[in-house]
Amino acid sequence: SAVISQKPSRDICQRGTSLTIQCQVDSQVTMMFWYRQQPGQSLTLIATANQGSEATYESGFVIDKFPISRPNLTFSTLTVSNMSPEDSSIYLCSVEDRQGFTYEQYFGPGTRLTVT
Amino acid sequence: GENVEQHPSTLSVQEGDSAVIKCTYSDSASNYFPWYKQELGKRPQLIIDIRSNVGEKKDQRIAVTLNKTAKHFSLHITETQPEDSAVYFCAASWTGGGNKLTFGTGTQLKVEL
Repeated sequence: SAVISQKPSRDICQRGTSLTIQCQVDSQVTMMFWYRQQPGQSLTLIATANQGSEATYESGFVIDKFPISRPNLTFSTLTVSNMSPEDSSIYLCSVEDRQGFTYEQYFGPGTRLTVT
Repeated sequence: GENVEQHPSTLSVQEGDSAVIKCTYSDSASNYFPWYKQELGKRPQLIIDIRSNVGEKKDQRIAVTLNKTAKHFSLHITETQPEDSAVYFCAASWTGGGNKLTFGTGTQLKVEL
């Protein structure tokens, strides 16, 4: 399966600031996704990062708050803008690994964000 | 959109016993059902998955069953070991919907010695 890395692994940020999280894959992948996992909770999809076009956001998430870039097939960034304590979460990228007509989704190690 | 319910939220078993976690989904178009294991502080790891053209799939001590008519699927772990202790998430997606995963709420499995 693809090897996925994220930077930073964790950060503590002041409210009102922004943080950009990077996701790097060791092979070209078509689909990349960004998820949020609040403390003790399940995973919620933020958006699909589309290469060469604007990301597709899920209900409750907007581009102004979570701008996403996908400049190529191995890299994506998620920015958490104008942060508040409610944004404290783990942010995970995932990639779809296709093998013919089947696919599996794998996750990066996550970025643990604390907003004070 | 898709909604996935997962039960139980916590499960405690004795080492060597079996554990069963159940999920139901709402969208009949969903055709891919993975299970992830997440240990504390780690990323979710794909442990097994099943597609809608299959009713059951097994990998050593882990098996998954799917009932498309009833829209539910289950994870079965036999001969549980302490290292099976983790949070398990089920998920569902539809290939025609961009393969976006909708996750269940998770089950905290504790295997006691």
